[in-house]
Amino acid sequence: QVLLQESGPGLVKPSGTLSLTCTVSGDSVTSGHWWSWIRQSPGTNLEWIGDIYRGGNTNYNPSLRNRLSMSMDESKNQFSLELTSVTAADTALYYCARVMGVVGQFDYWGQGTLVTVSS
Amino acid sequence: QSVLTQPPSVSAAPGQKVTVSCSGSTSNIGNNYVSWYQQVPGTAPKLLIYESNRRPSGIPDRFSGSKSATSATLAITGLQTGDEADYYCGTWDDSLSVVVFGAGTKLTVL
Repeated sequence: QVLLQESGPGLVKPSGTLSLTCTVSGDSVTSGHWWSWIRQSPGTNLEWIGDIYRGGNTNYNPSLRNRLSMSMDESKNQFSLELTSVTAADTALYYCARVMGVVGQFDYWGQGTLVTVSS
Repeated sequence: QSVLTQPPSVSAAPGQKVTVSCSGSTSNIGNNYVSWYQQVPGTAPKLLIYESNRRPSGIPDRFSGSKSATSATLAITGLQTGDEADYYCGTWDDSLSVVVFGAGTKLTVL
């Protein structure tokens, strides 16, 4: 059974940096899957943030690329997200997920963590 | 406004069949696989269909997916009250270079 668990601060100040970590169990982050971050603003649509693959290969949403950084810690079986210069528009439920096969298909999801951007 | 268009809501009685449509374009659905997700409020999305018409293990065959040109459809037969949820379609968009999702369809089992 593959499990993903997001962790990180639930409150970030405007213009600050949002940092989240996803801890994976039941699979290895170097297993050959891409690993993703997806967010969902309250009551609205799902938004793909980006993917990361072993070796540090990344694929980012162009609308977030200039503020986004993703990394992987193989020793801890984790991958992480950093989003800089946040605004209230970045307030959302953030999910980490495993990509199944081709891009855009997500077979395992974390439970999600709510991040609020507010002073 | 979402790149993929879904009806805001659908409804049907228990035991009946319902379909959820997802309309896109040649740059997304027309050239890529579609996946479908079920999201019960307060929980994470769950993969129902991948590669447009394949079910992950553990997903009942009451759920099926199809794709034709630039549209995809999720069908649910033998509706149960437990199927009440929001349903999302998703795919890759070649022009935008991004994974796109529909805005979701709320299923009500009357």
